[in-house]
Amino acid sequence: GESVGLHLPTLSVQEGDNSIINCAYSNSASDYFIWYKQESGKGPQFIIDIRSNMDKRQGQRVTVLLNKTVKHLSLQIAATQPGDSAVYFCAETYRGAGSYQLTFGKGTKLSVIP
Amino acid sequence: DGGITQSPKYLFRKEGQNVTLSCEQNLNHDAMYWYRQDPGQGLRLIYYSQIVNDFQKGDIAEGYSVSREKKESFPLTVTSAQKNPTAFYLCASMEKFRGNQPQHFGDGTRLSIL
Repeated sequence: GESVGLHLPTLSVQEGDNSIINCAYSNSASDYFIWYKQESGKGPQFIIDIRSNMDKRQGQRVTVLLNKTVKHLSLQIAATQPGDSAVYFCAETYRGAGSYQLTFGKGTKLSVIP
Repeated sequence: DGGITQSPKYLFRKEGQNVTLSCEQNLNHDAMYWYRQDPGQGLRLIYYSQIVNDFQKGDIAEGYSVSREKKESFPLTVTSAQKNPTAFYLCASMEKFRGNQPQHFGDGTRLSIL
């Protein structure tokens, strides 16, 4: 299987429980953040994004929280299902003059126990 | 369906050989990217292209080359100068080269050394 999840922090949750995945970002000037889900053997899939002028955004079963004071981002998944098992990682964007820099976190592996 | 197609899914390289990874998108996106993913690591940027006939080096461009002759295509060549090519390679695209929108990914090519 896909080895991208090796040596990553792992979160194990019971099916039906809520999951919270955390991410500490590095640049206080970053103004746009994204959460991705990566299943075994596949490319990352966009889940939800948030801009720095917001502190919360909700999607279908997912919520992203942004705390700029401590440079922390979290992804909450409600009623976690077996299909949610994957590696989740955040990305931050810093925009400079005429360009931008996108930095990806290493990820957290979510395992859902049926 | 609109999306990003990477081929082949698996590729093997012999010593001293150059290999080319294909990336095609039918999303009409301007910007395209190549990343390398190693186990337990965040994505690292190899090359990117803001628009057709333009490309720029990323953080780990040594041993790689690209071209962008058509808007929909951004092939990556892994040359014999890349001494540690074994990794999962991901291609991504974005509608415009700006930092407030997500990148969309293909399903990757896994490259191994024979």
